[in-house]
Amino acid sequence: SQTIHQWPATLVQPVGSPLSLECTVEGTSNPNLYWYRQAAGRGLQLLFYSVGIGQISSEVPQNLSASRPQDRQFILSSKKLLLSDSGFYLCAWSLGTSNTEAFFGQGTRLTVV
Amino acid sequence: RKEVEQDPGPFNVPEGATVAFNCTYSNSASQSFFWYRQDCRKEPKLLMSVYSSGNEDGRFTAQLNRASQYISLLIRDSKLSDSATYLCAHRRAGRRALTFGSGTRLQVQP
Repeated sequence: SQTIHQWPATLVQPVGSPLSLECTVEGTSNPNLYWYRQAAGRGLQLLFYSVGIGQISSEVPQNLSASRPQDRQFILSSKKLLLSDSGFYLCAWSLGTSNTEAFFGQGTRLTVV
Repeated sequence: RKEVEQDPGPFNVPEGATVAFNCTYSNSASQSFFWYRQDCRKEPKLLMSVYSSGNEDGRFTAQLNRASQYISLLIRDSKLSDSATYLCAHRRAGRRALTFGSGTRLQVQP
């Protein structure tokens, strides 16, 4: 069966510090991978998605970037965090070839102070 | 207009009640529809897919109305454990990612 791992679960970072969140998927090949952000009391905002190694699509201009160095690894990064980057970051995957649902990792709650 | 809209609630219902949520979508090219459940400070978890003919899973029934561009979720015999936020999601034609509504909060009371 497929599983998705995301870490860390919580993170407190000072303004201006770098960020690296990692997500890995097991049990499937060539998945679509996604990064979403959820602000407090809000819906999920798509940040990035990837259909293959090195292929990244950005949904909104922002202070963040994403990379997919391996088929089942997706990384969210920032060089300098802003207060507005605080939120609940969720990695998700879906099958690459059909119109299917997405499955989420446990999320990282980021607080920028 | 938002691509996916939901009444944020909260819907406060007694145990055993039947409750229904609607979710409207603005893009007629939407192809796939889903309901997710999200507990406080947790990740969304898939509750059920929504099929054109409607589908049922135990106490939960999902329906799609393409003419009016909305999906619905009906929960029968509500349990305390049903208390959560329910997110609807859809996928537009030619797009990989799901677009989510902001969620409807349900509070089932004893």
